Amino acid sequence: GESVGLHLPTLSVQEGDNSIINCAYSNSASDYFIWYKQESGKGPQFIIDIRSNMDKRQGQRVTVLLNKTVKHLSLQIAATQPGDSAVYFCAENIRRDDKIIFGKGTRLHILP
Amino acid sequence: GAVVSQHPSWVICKSGTSVKIECRSLDFQATTMFWYRQFPKQSLMLMATSNEGSKATYEQGVEKDKFLINHASLTLSTLTVTSAHPEDSSFYICSAPVPTTGDGYTFGSGTRLTVV
Repeated sequence: GESVGLHLPTLSVQEGDNSIINCAYSNSASDYFIWYKQESGKGPQFIIDIRSNMDKRQGQRVTVLLNKTVKHLSLQIAATQPGDSAVYFCAENIRRDDKIIFGKGTRLHILP
Repeated sequence: GAVVSQHPSWVICKSGTSVKIECRSLDFQATTMFWYRQFPKQSLMLMATSNEGSKATYEQGVEKDKFLINHASLTLSTLTVTSAHPEDSSFYICSAPVPTTGDGYTFGSGTRLTVV
C-alpha cells in the first residue's frame, strides 16, 4: 500500500552507540527492499538493499534484517556518528525496475 | 555511478502560473522516471511514473492535467505543475532505476517549489 503522510518519529541515540531503525512494510508480494538516508533539503541517498530471498545483509557499518513472516525490516547502524543524523526511509519494490513505495521514515538524532 | 540531475533546485512562483521541473540522466539512459512529492516532515509520495515514448502512469488521486509529465527522450523527463496554488508547495523529487545491479535507484537532488 501507499505510505501514509504522518509526521516522522524520532530516534535519539548517543554518539558511539548502535542505532536500530525499524520499518513495517505493507505488501507481502514485495521482493526487494531498500534503505535510504535523507538529509535536509536533499534527495534520498542509497544505504543498503536486500532481496526477499535473504534475511540479512551487511555493509560498511550498516546491517539490514528482513523478517518476511511479520513484514518487518530493520536497519542497524554501528557506532553511530554525528554525520548519521538524517531521516531514514525504508522502501519496498514488488519487482525490479517497478515503482518503489516509501515507508513513513524515522529521524535519527545523535546525542553528544 | 548513475546520476540524475534535477533543476531547478528551488523555485518561487505566483499562484496561477506554471512551473517546469527537469530531470536528466547524465551517464545512463533512463527509460523510466518516477516522480515523488514530499511535504515537510513526511515521507515521499509517488505521484507518477513516466516512460520514454509513452504516456505517464499516475497514482490514484494525482491529477494528470495538473501535473504534466513528459518523457520525450531517454535522458530527459519533465514535470510541469500547471496553474500552481499554495497547496502545491512541496519538495518534488525524481528517481530512475539504475541500469546495473546493486544500487537500485538513483534520485535527483529535489526541487523546492513555493507558490505565493
